[in-house]
Amino acid sequence: DAKTTQPPSMDCAEGRAANLPCNHSTISGNEYVYWYRQIHSQGPQYIIHGLKNNETNEMASLIITEDRKSSTLILPHATLRDTAVYYCIVRPLYNQGGKLIFGQGTELSVKP
Amino acid sequence: DVKVTQSSRYLVKRTGEKVFLECVQDMDHENMFWYRQDPGLGLRLIYFSYDVKMKEKGDIPEGYSVSREKKERFSLILESTSTNQTSMYLCASSFAGGGSDTQYFGPGTRLTVL
Repeated sequence: DAKTTQPPSMDCAEGRAANLPCNHSTISGNEYVYWYRQIHSQGPQYIIHGLKNNETNEMASLIITEDRKSSTLILPHATLRDTAVYYCIVRPLYNQGGKLIFGQGTELSVKP
Repeated sequence: DVKVTQSSRYLVKRTGEKVFLECVQDMDHENMFWYRQDPGLGLRLIYFSYDVKMKEKGDIPEGYSVSREKKERFSLILESTSTNQTSMYLCASSFAGGGSDTQYFGPGTRLTVL
């Protein structure tokens, strides 16, 4: 079972920041927060992951609250190509053979 | 960048035909996975492999088999397809070292069984 809760859908204007929230109130100490996205009819794409510190890469930033019970994925300047379903997942950092469990995700629509 | 490729993007088969889906990764990853994705059911793990010639059943292995003869290739075989195997099939790979085992996915194969 997915251990995260996300809003089913969000809209964002092109060029603006998209802030996607995720609640993971039962996260345990050895679990990381991962974000993937899936553009329609394509395979999931890894975005970013983190434990407790904020993380940034070329795609996005990840802000994790101090109690680690929630996080926000930030796409700083959303484009039409960022329209996708975004999945927030919690899992141990190293879990050989461990399957990914995707919840329902947030369908982000970036509009011109 | 990690590159995971799958042999076909779209396939249409008739019931009872054999299907061979191949996945290749170029990052020297030890772990490879086959999932299927269906609306409302999310990702479901069929099989995974953590080394050449090694395989482990996932949650729904019935009706499928796999082969891992080389480290970079992981094949999914449907010996005799049925209509309930119509689905999106996704291959993934990950590193098995001491760091993150982030899974990277291929583009997917959408299989339709008539």
